[in-house]
Amino acid sequence: GEDVEQSLFLSVREGDSSVINCTYTDSSSTYLYWYKQEPGAGLQLLTYIFSNMDMKQDQRLTVLLNKKDKHLSLRIADTQTGDSAIYFCAVLSGGSYIPTFGRGTSLIVHP
Amino acid sequence: DGGITQSPKYLFRKEGQNVTLSCEQNLNHDAMYWYRQDPGQGLRLIYYSQIVNDFQKGDIAEGYSVSREKKESFPLTVTSAQKNPTAFYLCASSTGQGTVAFFGQGTRLTVV
Repeated sequence: GEDVEQSLFLSVREGDSSVINCTYTDSSSTYLYWYKQEPGAGLQLLTYIFSNMDMKQDQRLTVLLNKKDKHLSLRIADTQTGDSAIYFCAVLSGGSYIPTFGRGTSLIVHP
Repeated sequence: DGGITQSPKYLFRKEGQNVTLSCEQNLNHDAMYWYRQDPGQGLRLIYYSQIVNDFQKGDIAEGYSVSREKKESFPLTVTSAQKNPTAFYLCASSTGQGTVAFFGQGTRLTVV
């Protein structure tokens, strides 16, 4: 089945850019999502990209998709302390109901 | 406001007791899901339902049961057979195949 991998931790200084990476195995993955989870809360959908796109920008967020390498990244510009959270990558094939989630990357933003 | 409501936010139970977690959505979504989250392990799928009166086991269904009698509701029962029930439980819903899932705020279950 599908496997989605993320590094577990990322530490950045406030004001710098953060880049969170994700790799997946299923080349038929059609929809790719990024979720944010703050402590004690559910997952909040941040952004998503379709497999026929290479890039999507939404304010401070930029998603890059390299289909050849099955690599997805989320860049957060001007990272703030409020961005400290766990970020989950999730992928979904077009005919599937069940997204596959990575284990999440804990982003720590320090002054 | 449309959304997914999980209740209660915190739940404490004694070992050996069954407990039911509530999940209600007013998004008119057909599909609903239950996930379990443990520290450092990401999300693991317990059960999912594509339509009313139908549901399927996920990766870790043992010790859990669900029902889907109404489109809006997908309660999860954690039975005494679940060996390690203390965890954070997340409910989600989506419109169906190939669509994004939206999540509730979670229920933290502690069994003592």
